[in-house]
Amino acid sequence: GAGVSQSPSNKVTEKGKDVELRCDPISGHTALYWYRQRLGQGLEFLIYFQGNSAPDKSGLPSDRFSAERTGESVSTLTIQRTQQEDSAVYLCASSLNAGGEQFFGPGTRLTVL
Amino acid sequence: AQSVTQLGSHVSVSEGALVLLRCNYSSSVPPYLFWYVQYPNQGLQLLLKYTSAATLVKGINGFEAEFKKSETSFHLTKPSAHMSDAAEYFCASSYSGSARQLTFGSGTQLTVLP
Repeated sequence: GAGVSQSPSNKVTEKGKDVELRCDPISGHTALYWYRQRLGQGLEFLIYFQGNSAPDKSGLPSDRFSAERTGESVSTLTIQRTQQEDSAVYLCASSLNAGGEQFFGPGTRLTVL
Repeated sequence: AQSVTQLGSHVSVSEGALVLLRCNYSSSVPPYLFWYVQYPNQGLQLLLKYTSAATLVKGINGFEAEFKKSETSFHLTKPSAHMSDAAEYFCASSYSGSARQLTFGSGTQLTVLP
C-alpha cells in the first residue's frame, strides 16, 4: 500500500477483555515499531521488529502486552485483560531499514471502559 | 538515558508571525533529532531531522531547526505562520544505534490566529 495502515481505527472494550490491534507496514520495510500515545502526552516506545531478529520488547509496560510480526509483513499488538490505563492511541511505524525514516500509521484509538 | 523536553504545551501565534517551538534534549551520546507534525486524526509526519551533518536543518513547509550542542536545544522555527500550520508538533530523539526507537517530547499544540 501507499502508507502504513492500522485497524481498527477505533476500539472500545470493557475492562478485562483482550484486544488485538493490527498494523500493515509499507511493503518492503524491514523495521516496524509500536508506540503508545496517552492523552496529552508524547509517544512511548513499546516494541521494535527488525527483519528476522528477536524483537526489542524493552518498552512493553507489562506482561499483558505482546506483539507478533510475520516475516516482514503484518504485525499484531495484543493487550490481555485490558485496564482503563491502557486507553490510548496506539501508533505503528515502519522504516525501510533500522535507523531509516519512520513512517507512521494513523493509529488505533483504544478506549477501555 | 535519553529525554526530550518541549517547553510550552500550547503556543498561539498570529498568521504571518514567527513560529518558535522549543525543544531541549538530554542524552549521554550525540543524538539524532527529529521534529514531527500531527494533524487531527492523522499519523505523524516527519518535518525535518538532524543526523550530525549541518547544524541548521531545513524541512518541509518552510520549517527549519538549529542544533545547538552548547544549549542542548533543537528549536523549530518558521518565519511566517500560516493557518494550515495549526497542528501538534513533537520533538524526538534517538541514539545513533541500531534500533533507533524514538524518544518523544510531550508535544506542543500550535494555534494560528487570523
